[in-house]
Amino acid sequence: QSVLTQPPSASGTPGQRVTISCSGSSSNIGSNTINWYQQLPGTAPKLLIYNNNQRPSGVPDRFSGSKSGTSASLAISGLQSEDEADYYCAAWDASLDGWVFGGGTKLTVL
Amino acid sequence: QLQLQESGPGLVKPSETLSLTCTVSGGSISSTNYYWGWIRQPPGKGLEWIVSIHYSGSTYYNASLKSRVTISVDTSKNQFSLRLSSVTAADTAVYYCARKTVGATNPFDYWGQGTLVTVSS
Repeated sequence: QSVLTQPPSASGTPGQRVTISCSGSSSNIGSNTINWYQQLPGTAPKLLIYNNNQRPSGVPDRFSGSKSGTSASLAISGLQSEDEADYYCAAWDASLDGWVFGGGTKLTVL
Repeated sequence: QLQLQESGPGLVKPSETLSLTCTVSGGSISSTNYYWGWIRQPPGKGLEWIVSIHYSGSTYYNASLKSRVTISVDTSKNQFSLRLSSVTAADTAVYYCARKTVGATNPFDYWGQGTLVTVSS
């Protein structure tokens, strides 16, 4: 019952482009920027995308983000086996006055 | 390079208080530019934000946990701490401490490695 809604799973083959969606409401995605985190197995989340579409230093440009209205997407192009991880979207919610996360999407590289 | 390290008991009994500390190295917890927070992740589940604090005392709480949460900052030790009272099995999770830049929508950019806390008798 996460405030932000993500598909539980996604998959693709090496080299393919995959997208992961994140759906929210006017109080979170609709009025604030979205961030994406990558969590490799057994590790802490790592900031992947911030401010809707900005990449921190060191994040490959294969990763990109976009936002439209109350939804956002993370795209991964040139999929690699090392991209197999859980991906989470997050945003500030003005109504809750706090941070909300999506339930996470497990990406499998076939 | 900023580093955050969580510490505390790995096992807490039901109804007792969970206490964790995050030690910050490579940067000052007294910086006006940052908030410091706690996020948790139950085994096999997603992330849940708990609380964020600025060294000045400004604090934001997850409303669903606020009545049980206490957060504090110790600038002399460059640490901040979380206390969660009246724990139940539902509070079993990996607890992460993290840093975010001031500004409501700025993300948590540095995370600790996390520490597993199990609530069990």
